[in-house]
Amino acid sequence: NAGVTQTPKFQVLKTGQSMTLQCAQDMNHEYMSWYRQDPGMGLRLIHYSVGAGITDQGEVPNGYNVSRSTTEDFPLRLLSAAPSQTSVYFCASSYSGLETQYFGPGTRLLVL
Amino acid sequence: GENVEQHPSTLSVQEGDSAVIKCTYSDSASNYFPWYKQELGKRPQLIIDIRSNVGEKKDQRIAVTLNKTAKHFSLHITETQPEDSAVYFCAAPLRQLTFGSGTQLTVLP
Repeated sequence: NAGVTQTPKFQVLKTGQSMTLQCAQDMNHEYMSWYRQDPGMGLRLIHYSVGAGITDQGEVPNGYNVSRSTTEDFPLRLLSAAPSQTSVYFCASSYSGLETQYFGPGTRLLVL
Repeated sequence: GENVEQHPSTLSVQEGDSAVIKCTYSDSASNYFPWYKQELGKRPQLIIDIRSNVGEKKDQRIAVTLNKTAKHFSLHITETQPEDSAVYFCAAPLRQLTFGSGTQLTVLP
């Protein structure tokens, strides 16, 4: 099993550009989530999904969209990137939102 | 509001000494309390977890204690080694699994 995979590993964007961060898992987990990690702020939940077709907002959802068309994939979209979105983004999956989260390797995003 | 507080934010210990990291939480929706270790440039990985039907759990040099009445839980690392240097996160089952802000542990040789 590959576990949780993320692409790209690193991305530089200009302010106003859009992009999609990809996340996939092969563990048949129903629950998937996106976190951003900033220095001193820990891991903050952006959006999560409890199954295909179901998504909900986390702690810091503004500026991000998600969709969940399959169990395996959970892409994160930045519609108009801002410098405040410079961060490291982790995707995670789990059997439920209250159990062990398995993290992907992360995407480092720099918005100029 | 719902939150998880973690202390200290940084911790330096001499190799061989013990390290203790503490977390408190506002409420819990289940009985699962994990701890994660994140090495520089890598993803967070689970190192130990505890469920609230027990008060303590040990795994070699790592132990976790839980006081659900007081709403706090702690990570204890004994006989620290340089490879223990990392950021450690606690997490509590609030509405979703919610992470503390992290503790940068440095083990000095």
